[in-house]
Amino acid sequence: RKEVEQDPGPFNVPEGATVAFNCTYSNSASQSFFWYRQDCRKEPKLLMSVYSSGNEDGRFTAQLNRASQYISLLIRDSKLSDSATYLCVVTTNAGKSTFGDGTTLTVKP
Amino acid sequence: DGGITQSPKYLFRKEGQNVTLSCEQNLNHDAMYWYRQDPGQGLRLIYYSQIVNDFQKGDIAEGYSVSREKKESFPLTVTSAQKNPTAFYLCASQEGTPVYNEQFFGPGTRLTVL
Repeated sequence: RKEVEQDPGPFNVPEGATVAFNCTYSNSASQSFFWYRQDCRKEPKLLMSVYSSGNEDGRFTAQLNRASQYISLLIRDSKLSDSATYLCVVTTNAGKSTFGDGTTLTVKP
Repeated sequence: DGGITQSPKYLFRKEGQNVTLSCEQNLNHDAMYWYRQDPGQGLRLIYYSQIVNDFQKGDIAEGYSVSREKKESFPLTVTSAQKNPTAFYLCASQEGTPVYNEQFFGPGTRLTVL
């Protein structure tokens, strides 16, 4: 079993749709959590950090459930420009980061 | 502009040759990382360094070597012992305590071994 698992998708949604991604992790020593966005053939870039209390940035909402060991990303009112691969990242208290394989989103007109 | 540079962007090598990928950052970050990404997969950690003159193996270190002689530089050598070296290689750096801070990535090097 992988340390960090994501539904690979692809998720194909129309513009304006709401879409949610989940990511589960197996290491209970995991300390911090992030969502990165990666465009085709580019480097990943931070989308948002994930806090226990949940956090929101515009159309994006991230949640953490430590008891069930998963994080989620909700995108509301999807735009064409949201099309990308979304990577969840889990970092242990020793500073080692593990990436999920990513979930691919395609938003269609 | 502050950032991370990787060179070259594309690299072709013959099988059996060692090759060194460059990674330089001017962000004054202590921690630096090397990842490998294969098509349709996430990033896998090769090596990381949290301070100058110190580095640790990641999940897939076999066939790779690194050095960290300067804070701003973390070159990766892909040796002939690496069985399947063709991949997208990404370097990243991170400020301060690695647990809570984001990693900043360079643009990557696409290595093709012929």
